[in-house]
Amino acid sequence: AQKITQTQPGMFVQEKEAVTLDCTYDTSDQSYGLFWYKQPSSGEMIFLIYQGSYDEQNATEGRYSLNFQKARKSANLVISASQLGDSAMYFCAMREGMSAGNMLTFGGGTRLMVKP
Amino acid sequence: KAGVTQTPRYLIKTRGQQVTLSCSPISGHRSVSWYQQTPGQGLQFLFEYFSETQRNKGNFPGRFSGRQFSNSRSEMNVSTLELGDSALYLCASSIDLASGSYYTYEQYFGPGTRLTVT
Repeated sequence: AQKITQTQPGMFVQEKEAVTLDCTYDTSDQSYGLFWYKQPSSGEMIFLIYQGSYDEQNATEGRYSLNFQKARKSANLVISASQLGDSAMYFCAMREGMSAGNMLTFGGGTRLMVKP
Repeated sequence: KAGVTQTPRYLIKTRGQQVTLSCSPISGHRSVSWYQQTPGQGLQFLFEYFSETQRNKGNFPGRFSGRQFSNSRSEMNVSTLELGDSALYLCASSIDLASGSYYTYEQYFGPGTRLTVT
């Protein structure tokens, strides 16, 4: 079974509008971390936001927020006020267990295209 | 603070050859992980090194190996290259788990090495 599922291969959003990128995960660990990364066409993976499984509040970083619904095992990324520079691939990733080192499992990604 | 650097950025090799890729982590980071990214398989974890020891290993054949030096720089080696090894190889560094805060487990990625095997 897929550990990280991103069901939207591609999405369009109008500039200045908000967009939600979906991510569901599967783990039996109680301790885990969820990450979102942005990958522009240059290839570099840019860290956006992190949510720990024990964090009670949803993580926020500037225009990025993570809608964490633990019971539903979902960790959706919300980008507010989209900008043209937000056009990129977005990956959701999970690290299972706090003693598991830094091994990340990635989803297949969502290509976001921001329209002017 | 300088980011993660990877060399070379681009590489073309012939099937059967071997290749060595290098990664210098962010200063103070002792964990270095390697990932392979291909259009067909997506992003896959290769291995992680921490304090010169391999801490985790993904599901890749023994042709893929790595090491870490005392200054935390890491190298990965692929022997007997196959066409399917053509990929973007990404390196990521992270803060030491033992001393870092629970909330600071970000991995910072380098720009990658794009390997083409012909």
